[in-house]
Amino acid sequence: GAGVSQSPRYKVAKRGQDVALRCDPISGHVSLFWYQQALGQGPEFLTYFQNEAQLDKSGLPSDRFFAERPEGSVSTLKIQRTQQEDSAVYLCASSRGVNTEAFFGQGTRLTVV
Amino acid sequence: AQRVTQPEKLLSVFKGAPVELKCNYSYSGSPELFWYVQYSRQRLQLLLRHISRESIKGFTADLNKGETSFHLKKPFAQEEDSAMYYCALSGGYSGGGADGLTFGKGTHLIIQP
Repeated sequence: GAGVSQSPRYKVAKRGQDVALRCDPISGHVSLFWYQQALGQGPEFLTYFQNEAQLDKSGLPSDRFFAERPEGSVSTLKIQRTQQEDSAVYLCASSRGVNTEAFFGQGTRLTVV
Repeated sequence: AQRVTQPEKLLSVFKGAPVELKCNYSYSGSPELFWYVQYSRQRLQLLLRHISRESIKGFTADLNKGETSFHLKKPFAQEEDSAMYYCALSGGYSGGGADGLTFGKGTHLIIQP
């Protein structure tokens, strides 16, 4: 009965480097969300998947951010040419469907130096 | 645009005293409101949602549509209540049907012995 699993837990990237953050949702969960949480702030919505379909990516801050969930299970958030303002905790959450409880992962703390 | 405001970054009360964490929201439709909690070194987890009308760990929250508020209350605080508390709103997203959450910045609740 594992919960939402994210890896790596911590990532340090040099400015300009590309990074990939992984999310393993709870098995069978249809909905998957990515959030960005800057220091001292609440989580902010990035993007939403229903199965393999990315239904909403309105929260992605720039075209350097890209998310995918090709088989409707594991999801990857990729950030190209990282910048210092990308430093944050990236949270993944999954739920069984619309209007059901969302379960969060532990997050990946990204530090861009 | 939807917005959640938690006016207090930090709230410190003594054990046994009543607690009220304030939350105000801005949304044009009929939102669903939540309280999430994050204990030290743990992941974000759902505390309660307004539609369930439950009392969890002694906490309650009433949705006041006239005042657009969803304050979290507990009559007698316990030391184990010390945590970060986030108020969140779900109103769906245009064009996608997603139910991603809009979070407030959070209130750090400290219960002193």
